[in-house]
Amino acid sequence: KAGVTQTPRYLIKTRGQQVTLSCSPISGHRSVSWYQQTPGQGLQFLFEYFSETQRNKGNFPGRFSGRQFSNSRSEMNVSTLELGDSALYLCASSVFAAGVPYEQYFGPGTRLTVT
Amino acid sequence: AQSVTQLGSHVSVSEGALVLLRCNYSSSVPPYLFWYVQYPNQGLQLLLKYTSAATLVKGINGFEAEFKKSETSFHLTKPSAHMSDAAEYFCAVITNTGNQFYFGTGTSLTVIP
Repeated sequence: KAGVTQTPRYLIKTRGQQVTLSCSPISGHRSVSWYQQTPGQGLQFLFEYFSETQRNKGNFPGRFSGRQFSNSRSEMNVSTLELGDSALYLCASSVFAAGVPYEQYFGPGTRLTVT
Repeated sequence: AQSVTQLGSHVSVSEGALVLLRCNYSSSVPPYLFWYVQYPNQGLQLLLKYTSAATLVKGINGFEAEFKKSETSFHLTKPSAHMSDAAEYFCAVITNTGNQFYFGTGTSLTVIP
């Protein structure tokens, strides 16, 4: 099975611009989560989607948004970029069954640099 | 709320020495715990997981972890460190509903030749 793929791998944007990151989960995985990783803050949970519905959201401003498509692929969007948004954005997918704690599988990440 | 605490943001060991990375959890119900490893410029890779089947869990690359309810701990160990073990290690706990992970702040492991 192919792993979690994320595109693009690297991005350089300017303050004020917006960006869209894409994530394709492992085939059959319906849960997709997004994380922001920075040296100072570690792994911060952004949101989680299941069957096109956002089930959980972390403590991030409304500039961060996401969506999931019917094929479980997910996108996250960051509008009005700030320098502090520079980070590695990780996507993870999981098989989900109610009450069963399946592990998450991570993609390689998208390295976003805001200048 | 569930959380995990990793003691020691940086750990250095000599090649061939014991590796011990500490993780304590906070949970009011039996948790499900995981250890992940992250190599530079890569995503996270699952090392092992505890889901109450056995308290001693064996993972990949010779790592293992023991769940100790009395100490609310899930420490990661490896008998003999290898240079290739140098990486960032994360402990994580999952919510009871199974749809949100909480990660520790990570421990950077350095292996000295």
